[in-house]
Amino acid sequence: SQQGEEDPQALSIQEGENATMNCSYKTSINNLQWYRQNSGRGLVHLILIRSNEREKHSGRLRVTLDTSKKSSSLLITASRAADTASYFCATDDIDTGRRALTFGSGTRLQVQP
Amino acid sequence: DGGITQSPKYLFRKEGQNVTLSCEQNLNHDAMYWYRQDPGQGLRLIYYSQIVNDFQKGDIAEGYSVSREKKESFPLTVTSAQKNPTAFYLCASRDRGNTEAFFGQGTRLTVV
Repeated sequence: SQQGEEDPQALSIQEGENATMNCSYKTSINNLQWYRQNSGRGLVHLILIRSNEREKHSGRLRVTLDTSKKSSSLLITASRAADTASYFCATDDIDTGRRALTFGSGTRLQVQP
Repeated sequence: DGGITQSPKYLFRKEGQNVTLSCEQNLNHDAMYWYRQDPGQGLRLIYYSQIVNDFQKGDIAEGYSVSREKKESFPLTVTSAQKNPTAFYLCASRDRGNTEAFFGQGTRLTVV
């Protein structure tokens, strides 16, 4: 079953603009992770936010987590053409104890130069 | 270089054939995973293993089999029972605990 669902499914912006994508999940979590995937490649880990954290920054990335709403957002500031990729949120389901990441359907980001 | 390696990058399978996808890691990770990705979709979990000689089914295990005889290796066999095997297959590994996963570059399987 798909735990995380990203919104929007696709996003097209101009270079220099900010990009915001959202993720919703269904179960209890210890942390939430965001990954990036360039077309036809493997996923690369971007950032992890723990369940007791509300906001985290890493370079041009800002992640928020609202455990009461079971949602997270990823903000990429001052976007570049090289940010064009798909972005996925992922969680471990601690309700079932399954020790494997469940991924959402992803947001495809296109940054126009 | 430490990392996770999948091979081959492209694989073609005839109807009724079994094929095996390789996944090797030298990161000394205990846990390994196989995911399937269809075009424009997210990742779906096929099988995962937390320790050598042990593995569990994921959400879409039917038509697939795995083994975990060595810590470094977690091969995936796509059997003839898998009716729609054309997809992009991703292998991942990570340490114990809820840590970040490291992914291979994927194998694109096509039925011809």
